[in-house]
Amino acid sequence: GNSVTQMEGPVTLSEEAFLTINCTYTATGYPSLFWYVQYPGEGLQLLLKATKADDKGSNKGFEATYRKETTSFHLEKGSVQVSDSAVYFCALRVTGGFKTIFGAGTRLFVKA
Amino acid sequence: GAVVSQHPSWVICKSGTSVKIECRSLDFQATTMFWYRQFPKQSLMLMATSNEGSKATYEQGVEKDKFLINHASLTLSTLTVTSAHPEDSSFYICSARTGQNTEAFFGQGTRLTVV
Repeated sequence: GNSVTQMEGPVTLSEEAFLTINCTYTATGYPSLFWYVQYPGEGLQLLLKATKADDKGSNKGFEATYRKETTSFHLEKGSVQVSDSAVYFCALRVTGGFKTIFGAGTRLFVKA
Repeated sequence: GAVVSQHPSWVICKSGTSVKIECRSLDFQATTMFWYRQFPKQSLMLMATSNEGSKATYEQGVEKDKFLINHASLTLSTLTVTSAHPEDSSFYICSARTGQNTEAFFGQGTRLTVV
C-alpha cells in the first residue's frame, strides 16, 4: 500500500539554524511528492512539490529532492526564522490517483 | 492560490445532536472535494471523496450514516456528523480540486468538541 513516514516532532531550533525534516514513502506506481505547511489556526498550504525522480521542489527557502533510490523526500532549509514555526506534512499522490496520503506531521518551533 | 473556506472554525455540541460543517471553494469550481479527520498528533485520515452531483465514496471503516456528505454544487460540500458522541471530537479538514491531476487546496479546518 501507499504510506508516508516522517520524523516525529516537535523539532525545536534556534533562529538561523539548519532544518531537516525526514520523510520516506512507500508507494505502488510513481507518486508525486509534496510538503504542506500548517500555520497555527490556518489550513494546509502547499509548500513545494516534485513529480518525478531527482526533481527538486523549492519555495520560500525550503527545498526537497525526490530520491527514488532511497524513497525519500527530506525537507531542508538553510536558515530558519521564527515565522517558520508550524506543522509540516509530507504527502504523496500516485499518478492518476485522487487520494493524497499524508504523513503524521512534524511540529517545528523556532526560538528567537 | 485558490481559497477554500470552512465554517465553522470550531464548534461545541451536546452528545446526541448533529453538526454540519461547510466547505466552500471561493474562487474556483471544485469538481472533487475531500474530507479528512485529524486526531491529535496524528496524520490526516481521508474519510471520503465527493464529486459534485454524485454520492460520496467513503473510505473503509467510515460510517456513511454517521458522516453524511453532500456536494450539491461545484463550490459547496457539507459534512454532517449525526448523533455526535464524544469520540467524534476531532479536527475535520476539507480540500478541493478542480480535476484529477490538479493541486488540492485545503480549508482551515473545523475543531469539533462533543460534550
